[in-house]
Amino acid sequence: DIQMTQSPSTLSASVGDRVTITCRASQSINSWLAWYQQKPGKAPKLLIYKSSSLQSGVPSRFSGSGSGTEFTLTVSSLQPDDFATYYCQHYTGYSWTFGQGTTVDFK
Amino acid sequence: QVTLKESGPVLVKPTETLTLTCTVSGFSLRTARLAVAWVRQPPGKALEWLAHIFSTDEKSYNPSLKSRLTISKDFFTSQVVLTMTNMDPVDTATYYCARMEMATVVMDFWGQGTLVSVSS
Repeated sequence: DIQMTQSPSTLSASVGDRVTITCRASQSINSWLAWYQQKPGKAPKLLIYKSSSLQSGVPSRFSGSGSGTEFTLTVSSLQPDDFATYYCQHYTGYSWTFGQGTTVDFK
Repeated sequence: QVTLKESGPVLVKPTETLTLTCTVSGFSLRTARLAVAWVRQPPGKALEWLAHIFSTDEKSYNPSLKSRLTISKDFFTSQVVLTMTNMDPVDTATYYCARMEMATVVMDFWGQGTLVSVSS
């Protein structure tokens, strides 16, 4: 089974910071990776699909990159609304795997 | 407008069977590139995929839970039902249903989730 490992688990940052979260796959997954944002008590929200495509309506400060086994989610200038937990996700063709999540909190 | 809404019991006893219903609107369960998935999240923990079902009735289950799960759908009522047998306190979680969009390979719309507690 493919495992998705995110780092760091927690990231402390300030408004305006550039923030990068990494997701590593245990084997190559080409570019089939998505990123989600989740706030407490809310459902996840799709941010990025196919590694680097921005979902409609998502602010352009969010970007994704990577292929193969290493992927990154970057927030170019962190806004107050961005403090949340972020998950990467991969579809194997018959099952879904999520990373363990990265929480971005206030420094 | 695409919406999904989960419904079911808030409390089940250990060993009981959980039945959850996802009622969808704004899209059809007959659409080829779409499917509906169930995902759960124990309090303070990560998301875990449980199962999904396509319009063709093709189904997939999380291997670690496969023996306990059954997913089905009803075109006419626009509902997807998940049953999980032999519930245990470790199954306490928020259960979400989500629409899978297979052109982009994502879960693009999610229900609000329903918290299910397992306790005697």
